[in-house]
Amino acid sequence: DSGVTQTPKHLITATGQRVTLRCSPRSGDLSVYWYQQSLDQGLQFLIQYYNGEERAKGNILERFSAQQFPDLHSELNLSSLELGDSALYFCASSIGGAGAPEAFFGQGTRLTVV
Amino acid sequence: AQSVTQLGSHVSVSEGALVLLRCNYSSSVPPYLFWYVQYPNQGLQLLLKYTSAATLVKGINGFEAEFKKSETSFHLTKPSAHMSDAAEYFCAVSETGRRALTFGSGTRLQVQP
Repeated sequence: DSGVTQTPKHLITATGQRVTLRCSPRSGDLSVYWYQQSLDQGLQFLIQYYNGEERAKGNILERFSAQQFPDLHSELNLSSLELGDSALYFCASSIGGAGAPEAFFGQGTRLTVV
Repeated sequence: AQSVTQLGSHVSVSEGALVLLRCNYSSSVPPYLFWYVQYPNQGLQLLLKYTSAATLVKGINGFEAEFKKSETSFHLTKPSAHMSDAAEYFCAVSETGRRALTFGSGTRLQVQP
């Protein structure tokens, strides 16, 4: 158990819809990362938050957004969903300061868009 | 910019044989390097990390990796494969403690009885 909790584990929704994925980081971790894993793109970094502030953006679509709340949990919002958004979405957390940035991953949310 | 290349998307070994998974990185500064393992339908688990303290890094489950700056490599090895090692392995790099990891494309390890 990594200590990172993601909900829900599975999500099936229709094209055009909007969903919210939730992540609770490990106790004490200030940094949260979102990754998308798909067969054709591999593991793609989407966005990073540190202590409530956006720190870095990766290959995140404009239809996607995220936030980190004062209690440090994070949510990833995906809107106007397309079939190609079907993927495994991972949240990871780390201490976020200087030093080795090893990230601890949740079990992921498998999103299926039909 | 940081990047990682994993040579070989699939590697098959016999149980008891040496495991060698290759990783080459690109980084403009001395990097932090990691190997993660992903079992089916699970998240990524940290196997080991390189943080410049020692070039030979030992991780969990008998795996180790050697940082070679001259070759910009960080290959993962295990002397004797076990059936339970069958999984997908990802190499990752970060240039600073504050930056997200960049992952390679992964290598699926198959262990034959």
